[in-house]
Amino acid sequence: DSGVTQTPKHLITATGQRVTLRCSPRSGDLSVYWYQQSLDQGLQFLIQYYNGEERAKGNILERFSAQQFPDLHSELNLSSLELGDSALYFCASSVFSSGANVLTFGAGSRLTVL
Amino acid sequence: GIQVEQSPPDLILQEGANSTLRCNFSDSVNNLQWFHQNPWGQLINLFYIPSGTKQNGRLSATTVATERYSLLYISSSQTTDSGVYFCAVNTNDYKLSFGAGTTVTVRA
Repeated sequence: DSGVTQTPKHLITATGQRVTLRCSPRSGDLSVYWYQQSLDQGLQFLIQYYNGEERAKGNILERFSAQQFPDLHSELNLSSLELGDSALYFCASSVFSSGANVLTFGAGSRLTVL
Repeated sequence: GIQVEQSPPDLILQEGANSTLRCNFSDSVNNLQWFHQNPWGQLINLFYIPSGTKQNGRLSATTVATERYSLLYISSSQTTDSGVYFCAVNTNDYKLSFGAGTTVTVRA
């Protein structure tokens, strides 16, 4: 157990729907990162939050949004889902926001869009 | 952004064999991590190694920061070592950039 908790582990939904993925970081970690892993794109950085504030954005679609709450858990919202959004979504956490900074990953949420 | 190249892309080993995986990166880094993604999809931290050498059981890693590469050594491989090994780095920005991975298959 890495200490980073992601729910749900598996999710099957239909095109056009909306889902929310949840992440609880390791105790003491202030930064949360979201990554998407698909077969053709590899591991892609989506977005990072540090202590409730957005710090960096990567290849995140406009249909996707995220936030980090005061208790430091984070949610990734995916809307108007398309078949191509099927992927493994990882959350990672770290103590710092940048630099020499070890990231620890959760077990992932596997999203299947039918 | 920084480029991360891993080689070889695929590796098939007989149980008990040794192997070396390589990661080349295009810029100076603050952070370099090696991960193992097991067949269930979990990403397991192996090493945080922006420079120097570390060992953990049958695994060891060396990063030569001045020459911009890192090596992961697997000794006496076991079937449980199968999976994808990723190298990931960051510079002064916030995110880890991942290589494409090396898929390791260890046969009994």
